[in-house]
Amino acid sequence: ELKVEQNPLFLSMQEGKNYTIYCNYSTTSDRLYWYRQDPGKSLESLFVLLSNGAVKQEGRLMASLDTKARLSTLHITAAVHDLSATYFCAVASTSGTYKYIFGTGTRLKVLA
Amino acid sequence: DSGVTQTPKHLITATGQRVTLRCSPRSGDLSVYWYQQSLDQGLQFLIQYYNGEERAKGNILERFSAQQFPDLHSELNLSSLELGDSALYFCASSVGGGGGQETQYFGPGTRLLVL
Repeated sequence: ELKVEQNPLFLSMQEGKNYTIYCNYSTTSDRLYWYRQDPGKSLESLFVLLSNGAVKQEGRLMASLDTKARLSTLHITAAVHDLSATYFCAVASTSGTYKYIFGTGTRLKVLA
Repeated sequence: DSGVTQTPKHLITATGQRVTLRCSPRSGDLSVYWYQQSLDQGLQFLIQYYNGEERAKGNILERFSAQQFPDLHSELNLSSLELGDSALYFCASSVGGGGGQETQYFGPGTRLLVL
């Protein structure tokens, strides 16, 4: 079964702290995406990761990809309240019927 | 504002009915993607069109169909609606076929409620 698992599902953290969201996937994939969704809003693309060892950073967010472990991480550095949102990872599967498979999402709440 | 537009924003209908959701991609984008987001199923990819042709197919029910027109706008048709079809339907667009570093830009969504 093709699966994309994220953990944690919920994350409440203090401003200024660091934390990591994990995304494990079971299918072969040639791309991994990270998205942000604010409550009641649409999705915003954050990162596209292609190759093993890829690392991308934007502000306080850094995403990395380990294709051998089928694992991606989204690291949050010195969290601020504005980062409160739900974060989704998604993989572009290169096998099976389903092209883009999403994780369950991680709801992040940054407390002031 | 992503530049992707979707109409209508909200839709309330009854079981057994048929509805059409419309998406206009960003100017210059050739691909349109359709996604469904519900509490039960989470985010699911439905289908992708690239320059008028079906490019990739996901978890789309047989009761659902889509097409992309020559002006590149797309429509998602949902028929024989069931309560479980109530969801937020997003479309997204990208410049090319979706490979490489391409970013998908998402529309604001259409919220469908089936009563």
